[in-house]
Amino acid sequence: KAGVTQTPRYLIKTRGQQVTLSCSPISGHRSVSWYQQTPGQGLQFLFEYFSETQRNKGNFPGRFSGRQFSNSRSEMNVSTLELGDSALYLCASSPTEDYEQYFGPGTRLTVT
Amino acid sequence: AQRVTQPEKLLSVFKGAPVELKCNYSYSGSPELFWYVQYSRQRLQLLLRHISRESIKGFTADLNKGETSFHLKKPFAQEEDSAMYYCALNSWGKLQFGAGTQVVVTP
Repeated sequence: KAGVTQTPRYLIKTRGQQVTLSCSPISGHRSVSWYQQTPGQGLQFLFEYFSETQRNKGNFPGRFSGRQFSNSRSEMNVSTLELGDSALYLCASSPTEDYEQYFGPGTRLTVT
Repeated sequence: AQRVTQPEKLLSVFKGAPVELKCNYSYSGSPELFWYVQYSRQRLQLLLRHISRESIKGFTADLNKGETSFHLKKPFAQEEDSAMYYCALNSWGKLQFGAGTQVVVTP
């Protein structure tokens, strides 16, 4: 099976802009989770989608949002970008309610 | 509050020596714990989970509810074990990670 894919792999944006990141889970996986990884805060949970519904949410401001489509592909959006949003954004999928997660390579976002 | 603590940022061991990565957690329910590993230029991947109670790549981890610990151990470290290791807790549907421990195995 193909692994989790994320696009784009690298992104440079300017403060105040918005950005959309995409994640394609492993075929058959219905749960998609998003994480932010930074040197200072480590890996932090953003949100999880299951069957097009947000099932769990981390402690991030409302500028961070996401959605999941009927084919389980997911997108996350960050509006009004801040310099502190610069990070590696990881997507992970899992088959059911099992939390064995399969990670994508990440999208490196740089906000200038 | 739920928390996962990995006290060591860096662990340097010689090849063939035992290695133990510490992980402590705080959680009010019945914990579900994992160890994830990230090798250089590779994706984060699951190493093992406490419910499976199996040994992967020679690593084992035992859940000690009394000490709220889930330490990862391997009796004889290999150079290919050099990687970043993360302990993670399933906190009511949210996977909460520790800060990670960088393991360097020198020949």
